[in-house]
Amino acid sequence: AQSVTQLGSHVSVSEGALVLLRCNYSSSVPPYLFWYVQYPNQGLQLLLKYTSAATLVKGINGFEAEFKKSETSFHLTKPSAHMRDAAEYFCAVSEGAGGTSYGKLTFGQGTILTVHP
Amino acid sequence: DAMVIQNPRYQVTQFGKPVTLSCSQTLNHNVMYWYQQKSSQAPKLLFHYYDKDFNNEADTPDNFQSRRPNTSFCFLDIRSPGLGDAAMYLCATSRDGLARGETQYFGPGTRLLVL
Repeated sequence: AQSVTQLGSHVSVSEGALVLLRCNYSSSVPPYLFWYVQYPNQGLQLLLKYTSAATLVKGINGFEAEFKKSETSFHLTKPSAHMRDAAEYFCAVSEGAGGTSYGKLTFGQGTILTVHP
Repeated sequence: DAMVIQNPRYQVTQFGKPVTLSCSQTLNHNVMYWYQQKSSQAPKLLFHYYDKDFNNEADTPDNFQSRRPNTSFCFLDIRSPGLGDAAMYLCATSRDGLARGETQYFGPGTRLLVL
């Protein structure tokens, strides 16, 4: 069974500061990992994903994430926060080849990012 | 430009009155999903279609049904909405399921209010 834990339901940073959103996963097979962003009253938009190629993944809007197998983590970072980054962020996992959870994403509980001027 | 389209964006219904939410896609993907998302919670998968094959999640209430008449369209029917069904409903698609790390594309959602 796969699961995702996002540490911190709320993160607050100042504009220009580093953004760090934490995600740890559990999976019985090599995972595929995703970060999605959701703005108020909108659907989810893919920021980036890890699919067993490079462990450092670059996404849209200046975000990146590093897959660390030894720590079962996939934390999301951005060097300098903008006001427009204020949103809710979801980490998600789907099982790779050999997994039984065909067709499913398992989401973390989400982290609301607030950016202060 | 829109790839996954949901109509309407906001839907108000009365307690117990059947309601249908619609989703269409221009991606020609095989798989379409319906999620329910309550306030400050993660999306919860209700069911998905791989082509015409329907896959229901074990804990999806019988009150929720779905139809997929063709590749492009998928509908969510709530037979007798209760107050607890007020939520954002998200439609999503993927080309062939997620076993190979494919991206799932989401629509903008329909917010359902039950009076």
